[in-house]
Amino acid sequence: NAGVTQTPKFQVLKTGQSMTLQCAQDMNHEYMSWYRQDPGMGLRLIHYSVGAGITDQGEVPNGYNVSRSTTEDFPLRLLSAAPSQTSVYFCASSYGGVLDQPQHFGDGTRLSIL
Amino acid sequence: SQQGEEDPQALSIQEGENATMNCSYKTSINNLQWYRQNSGRGLVHLILIRSNEREKHSGRLRVTLDTSKKSSSLLITASRAADTASYFCALPWVASGSRLTFGEGTQLTVNP
Repeated sequence: NAGVTQTPKFQVLKTGQSMTLQCAQDMNHEYMSWYRQDPGMGLRLIHYSVGAGITDQGEVPNGYNVSRSTTEDFPLRLLSAAPSQTSVYFCASSYGGVLDQPQHFGDGTRLSIL
Repeated sequence: SQQGEEDPQALSIQEGENATMNCSYKTSINNLQWYRQNSGRGLVHLILIRSNEREKHSGRLRVTLDTSKKSSSLLITASRAADTASYFCALPWVASGSRLTFGEGTQLTVNP
């Protein structure tokens, strides 16, 4: 199994551009989520999904969209990139929810907004 | 929201020594998880300890949980240079069963 795969690994954007961060998992996990990691702030939840067709907002959802059309994929869209969105983005998945299941993380996408 | 606070923020030890890091939290929990993050990589799950458990082991790792003090500790015994990483505690946000919150982590450096 490949686990959780994130693409691209690195990306530089200009302010105002849009892009999609891809996340795919091959473990048939129901739960998927997106976090951003900034220095000194730990990981903050952006959006999550408990199954195909179901998404919900996390702590910092503004400026991001998600959809979950399949169990395997959970893309994160930046609608109009801003310098404040410069961060490392992590996708995670688990069987079931977070109450009692370990999360499996991808290796991240490092995004710089100029 | 529920968020763990790790202590210390940074820890530097020599190979072979033990490393202890702590996590404190404010409200009741169903479980607490510990993760490791190597530089430039994603987080890796280490141990999940449930609220009715007091201690759990995995290899050189020992996690304790004291729900009366609302704290947990992660002990790494006989540390190795490869243990150099950031360590995070993670807590489910009980008010919303599908959210996991992370502390800011402890940066552990093990010197050869």
